[in-house]
Amino acid sequence: GAVVSQHPSWVICKSGTSVKIECRSLDFQATTMFWYRQFPKQSLMLMATSNEGSKATYEQGVEKDKFLINHASLTLSTLTVTSAHPEDSSFYICSARTSGRLTGELFFGEGSRLTVL
Amino acid sequence: GIQVEQSPPDLILQEGANSTLRCNFSDSVNNLQWFHQNPWGQLINLFYIPSGTKQNGRLSATTVATERYSLLYISSSQTTDSGVYFCAAQDTGGFKTIFGAGTRLFVKA
Repeated sequence: GAVVSQHPSWVICKSGTSVKIECRSLDFQATTMFWYRQFPKQSLMLMATSNEGSKATYEQGVEKDKFLINHASLTLSTLTVTSAHPEDSSFYICSARTSGRLTGELFFGEGSRLTVL
Repeated sequence: GIQVEQSPPDLILQEGANSTLRCNFSDSVNNLQWFHQNPWGQLINLFYIPSGTKQNGRLSATTVATERYSLLYISSSQTTDSGVYFCAAQDTGGFKTIFGAGTRLFVKA
C-alpha cells in the first residue's frame, strides 16, 4: 500500500483563489518531504524541500510567496498555491523517505492535479 | 548540481520484445531509483539501486556507479508496460533527488 498520501487528487479553482494540498506520511515520520511539479509530457521538477519545524528551502526560480509550504508535524506537509492563476495549473506531487533520513528510497504520493480557470 | 540524462526519449515496441533503457548521471550518487509513471500520474517504485544488479520479474536493473550509468531491462514486454519510465538520482553533495527527462514507452499488441 501507499506510504505517502496526498489530498486532494484533483482540484479546480477560479483564478485568484488559494488552494491547499496536503501530503501525509503513513506509518512513518518524515522530517523532510519534497514537493515536485510536473507539466504535461515533461519531467518532475523539484520545487522545494519541506523541513519539519523550520522554513522550507525553495529551488531557484520558485516563488516562495506563491507556493507556501508548512511542515508542522512529522507526518504532514502542506503546499498552498496562493492567488492561483491559470499558469499555476499543473500536477503537484510530494515525496518522502521512509528511512526518515536524508538518504534512502524515495516514495511519492498520488499527486494532485490543479486546474485554475 | 547533478545532471541526469535518459535515453531513448521515446520507444515503441511490439508486445513480447525486450528493451534496454539507459540513465547517465554526471556525478557520484547516494541513490539511484527507477520509476514507472502510470496514466494517472502515480509514480511506481521499480528499483532502488545505487549500485549492483537487481531483478523483479520481467524487469531488472544494473547500476555501475563508477561509470555513472544505470540500465533498466524490460523483457517480454506487455501492453501494460506502456508509460513513462524515469530515473532519479540523489547526489552526494546534497539531499535533493533529480529526475531525468524520462523514456516514453509504448508497447503495441
